[in-house]
Amino acid sequence: EIVLTQSPGTLSLSPGERATLSCRASQTVISSYLAWYQQRPGQAPRLLIYTASGRATGIPDRFSGSGSGTDFTLTISRLEPEDFAVYYCQQYGSSPNTFGQGTRLEIK
Amino acid sequence: EVQLLESGGGLVQPGGSLRLSCAASGFTFSSYALSWVRQAPGKGLEWVSSIAGRGSSTYYADSVKGRLTISRDNSKNTLYLQMNSLRPDDTAVYYCARGGLLTAWFYWGPGTLVTVSS
Repeated sequence: EIVLTQSPGTLSLSPGERATLSCRASQTVISSYLAWYQQRPGQAPRLLIYTASGRATGIPDRFSGSGSGTDFTLTISRLEPEDFAVYYCQQYGSSPNTFGQGTRLEIK
Repeated sequence: EVQLLESGGGLVQPGGSLRLSCAASGFTFSSYALSWVRQAPGKGLEWVSSIAGRGSSTYYADSVKGRLTISRDNSKNTLYLQMNSLRPDDTAVYYCARGGLLTAWFYWGPGTLVTVSS
């Protein structure tokens, strides 16, 4: 199975700053089938990005995804207070679907 | 509006059984594969099982194979997860999500908590 490693584990930033989250796969992610989810405390995950760079419906354009092969990035251009949460990457190009361990984005 | 709502969670003893349900609305139920994903307290997300739209194909994580069974009733727009031989490490919030093995999951339910403890 494909192992996804997210870095950093925790990212401390201030509102208005730019956030860059990384997801590295142990093997090539087929067809760039890589998604990013946001999870706030006590809530279900919310899909942000699919197929590495496609923005899901209703997601603000400050969220963007990039990458291919084994290296992927989620960028939040200007952090809003509601963006402080945990972020997970997921690959769905190979069975089983697998998730990264998460990056916690916290207010500095 | 697409909605998914899980139910059936609770406290169960090790070795016990539980059946989770996920009621769906707002889309053509039989046209979509569905999945169960779980999250142990304070931990990350783990895919558990998926089922094709007509229920003809099912898939399981190795950690649950032989103990958990996914099924669906397309006449009732409901997804199920029969959980047998439960272990303490099955303790988690269980989410249902619309989508199967080769799709991103655009819609999720709020989850239901399963606690396996004596």
